[in-house]
Amino acid sequence: QKEVEQNSGPLSVPEGAIASLNCTYSDRGSQSFFWYRQYSGKSPELIMSIYSNGDKEDGRFTAQLNKASQYVSLLIRDSQPSDSATYLCAVKVGRDGGTSYGKLTFGQGTILTVHP
Amino acid sequence: DGGITQSPKYLFRKEGQNVTLSCEQNLNHDAMYWYRQDPGQGLRLIYYSQIVNDFQKGDIAEGYSVSREKKESFPLTVTSAQKNPTAFYLCASSITSGDYNEQFFGPGTRLTVL
Repeated sequence: QKEVEQNSGPLSVPEGAIASLNCTYSDRGSQSFFWYRQYSGKSPELIMSIYSNGDKEDGRFTAQLNKASQYVSLLIRDSQPSDSATYLCAVKVGRDGGTSYGKLTFGQGTILTVHP
Repeated sequence: DGGITQSPKYLFRKEGQNVTLSCEQNLNHDAMYWYRQDPGQGLRLIYYSQIVNDFQKGDIAEGYSVSREKKESFPLTVTSAQKNPTAFYLCASSITSGDYNEQFFGPGTRLTVL
């Protein structure tokens, strides 16, 4: 089983719809969760971070975390063609070898296409 | 303007050559990271460093080397021992205090072996 797994794409939604991106992780010690957006040929851009169970909203983006189910998702409301990109889920196990930061493990990414 | 810079943007390497990728940040971040991305795949960690003069191997360190002589700089050398170096290389940085250290990425270097 992969450590971080994202729903296989590509995902295609019409403009104005809600896009739902899902991610599961295997390590129950994971404490921090991130969503990155990556346009073709560019580097990843952090769009959401979530640390506690529940929902976190930022504009059209909502991240949802359920640690009991080891599941994190990203909802994009009112999807726009400019949202078309690859979305990467990243998970961090809290403390690594006593240091105060942990390594990120990335999923393979989900390609989202928003068509007019 | 705060941020992370990587150079060059594109790099071509001949078989048997060592090449060095540059990464500089002026965010005053203590931690820096190198990732590799292959087409259609997520990022894999090569090396990371929490503090000057200290660094640790990531998941795929074989064939790579790094140094951390300055807080702002974390160059990556791709040696001839790396059998399949063609990839997109990404440098990132973060703070190290607390548990919520978000990583921010530079623009990347695309390496091609000729």
